[in-house]
Parts: sequence; structure tokens; C-alpha cells
Amino acid sequence: EAGVTQFPSHSVIEKGQTVTLRCDPISGHDNLYWYRRVMGKEIKFLLHFVKESKQDESGMPNNRFLAERTGGTYSTLKVQPAELEDSGVYFCASSQDATVKNTEAFFGQGTRLTVV
Amino acid sequence: KQEVTQIPAALSVPEGENLVLNCSFTDSAIYNLQWFRQDPGKGLTSLLLIQSSQREQTSGRLNASLDKSSGRSTLYIAASQPGDSATYLCAPHGSQGNLIFGKGTKLSVKP
Repeated sequence: EAGVTQFPSHSVIEKGQTVTLRCDPISGHDNLYWYRRVMGKEIKFLLHFVKESKQDESGMPNNRFLAERTGGTYSTLKVQPAELEDSGVYFCASSQDATVKNTEAFFGQGTRLTVV
Repeated sequence: KQEVTQIPAALSVPEGENLVLNCSFTDSAIYNLQWFRQDPGKGLTSLLLIQSSQREQTSGRLNASLDKSSGRSTLYIAASQPGDSATYLCAPHGSQGNLIFGKGTKLSVKP
């Protein structure tokens, strides 16, 4: 069974450009989470989807970040326009069942975003 | 607001030693708690999930305990090996399943 997959693994963009990160969760997992680690800090929660619905987006830093999960399968996280402080590693995680809130979370390999 | 502290921040031990990694959290009203390892440049690998009703969970040479009332969890690694070298992260689950992370413990096991 495939794990959580993230694309691209690395992205280098210039300040002001747009970048879209993609996450494919484990098949059948209703819960999908985005997290971010910026240099020297802890991994921080960004948002949570249950199927196609945003359950909690309290961790999104500002309105330059837009996440979608059309059809309740893969998710995208778009940063537009990118700023220098957006650099970091973006992780996606999924867990199985929306009715059992706290099942084991499985992480992707992350996307390392560098804004220059 | 939940805060997670992991002690020590770094640990270096000789191969074969048993060791304990500590995790404390400020809000005891957690659901489950998960331990991960992260290798350099890689994603997080789930090691153990302790459900809120459990006090410990074991997988191979790993044993994790959870004391919600005192806000503590420990990860015990028996007979450490060089392949255990990684950063270990503890993460309590919030009410919606989101994880709250500390900075981790960087473990180095010397041959």
C-alpha cells in the first residue's frame, strides 16, 4: 500500500512567484493535515481536511495560503505570492477515519520550499 | 495553548545502551499521543501511538508510556543500535486529531 506522497520534493522560487504543493494521502484516509517547519522551529499545524471539507484552518499564517481538497482525495497548498519567510519544509499527513478522530497519523516525505 | 517539551535536546550513547527520552506537555486534556522518528532530510515515521485510555504501548525494542494526569510521556529504547540514530518527536493529539510537536530529541548511537 502506498504511503502519503508529496510533490515536488524540493522547490526554489523567487519572491512574489506562486507555488503549488500537492499531497496524495493514503487511499481511503478521510483526514488530511498540512504542517510546516520553518528553520529552527517546531513543526506547526496549518490545517485539517475531513474528506473535502476544511475542518480547521486555524494554523494558516495568512491569506496568501490557499488549500484545497477537491473530491476528498489529493490536496493542494498554494502560496501566492510567496515571501521569504514562507521558506521551510511543508509536510502532509493523513489518518483513517473521520468518525474516530484520533487515529494514527502517517506523514509524507515533505516538500522543501526555498523562496529567494 | 498546548506546549510540548522534550528533554534532552540531544543525546549521544554507545551502542547497546538502554535509554529514555522524555516528553512533557502542558495541557493534560489530550486524546492520543504519538511518537515519531525523523531521519535527516526525510519525513516522519510513526513509531507508536498510545491511545488516551492506555498507559503504555510496545513495539519491538521500543516502549512508550503515557501519564496524562502529570502531562508526561517517555520513550524507552532497549539495546540501542547505530540505526536508531535520528531525531525523535513526541506529539499529543488535539481534539481534531491535529498534532502538537516539540523540538525533538536528537539521538546519536555510536558503534
